[in-house]
Amino acid sequence: NAGVTQTPKFQVLKTGQSMTLQCAQDMNHNSMYWYRQDPGMGLRLIYYSASEGTTDKGEVPNGYNVSRLNKREFSLRLESAAPSQTSVYFCASSGRQGKGQPQHFGDGTRLSIL
Amino acid sequence: KNEVEQSPQNLTAQEGEFITINCSYSVGISALHWLQQHPGGGIVSLFMLSSGKKKHGRLIATINIQEKHSSLHITASHPRDSAVYICAVDTGNQFYFGTGTSLTVIP
Repeated sequence: NAGVTQTPKFQVLKTGQSMTLQCAQDMNHNSMYWYRQDPGMGLRLIYYSASEGTTDKGEVPNGYNVSRLNKREFSLRLESAAPSQTSVYFCASSGRQGKGQPQHFGDGTRLSIL
Repeated sequence: KNEVEQSPQNLTAQEGEFITINCSYSVGISALHWLQQHPGGGIVSLFMLSSGKKKHGRLIATINIQEKHSSLHITASHPRDSAVYICAVDTGNQFYFGTGTSLTVIP
């Protein structure tokens, strides 16, 4: 019963380093999402993918890139990490975007940029 | 501008109390979701509503589309209900999330 799997769970980076956060779902969902969660703020959408082969910007896309590798996998890349990107990152998936279907979340990645 | 507002931000209750968490939103929605986030961070979906009322065990969620308001009720609260409860709305294009209500239930 894997659901949505995120790796890694924790990561510490130095300013300017790059890294990719991985996300995979085994529920045959069409839509996948990347969010960041910061203290005192709600989850904010970074990027989403409504279906395989498509990606769109969310509310806070600057400094990030994404790849929808196939239906299962949706990765988030920080090309040059900045301290402002210190956050907890959540990947989520749902059956069809905009159809009122629930989102299923991964356990999160705690990322610190020094 | 916050599309989703929750109240209260923090709530402490004695075990057994009836609890209400409120959510107001300002955008047109296709559905509203209530999520639970436990210490340790995992997020699970509790309810998805587009109208009326839903019940699952001791949890009840209601929505009033005309007033753009939803409530989450917990009856006979228990310490294991301690968590952050998040309201989220699906506009059809994307999700917007409230900042969450941190609930602590004391034995």
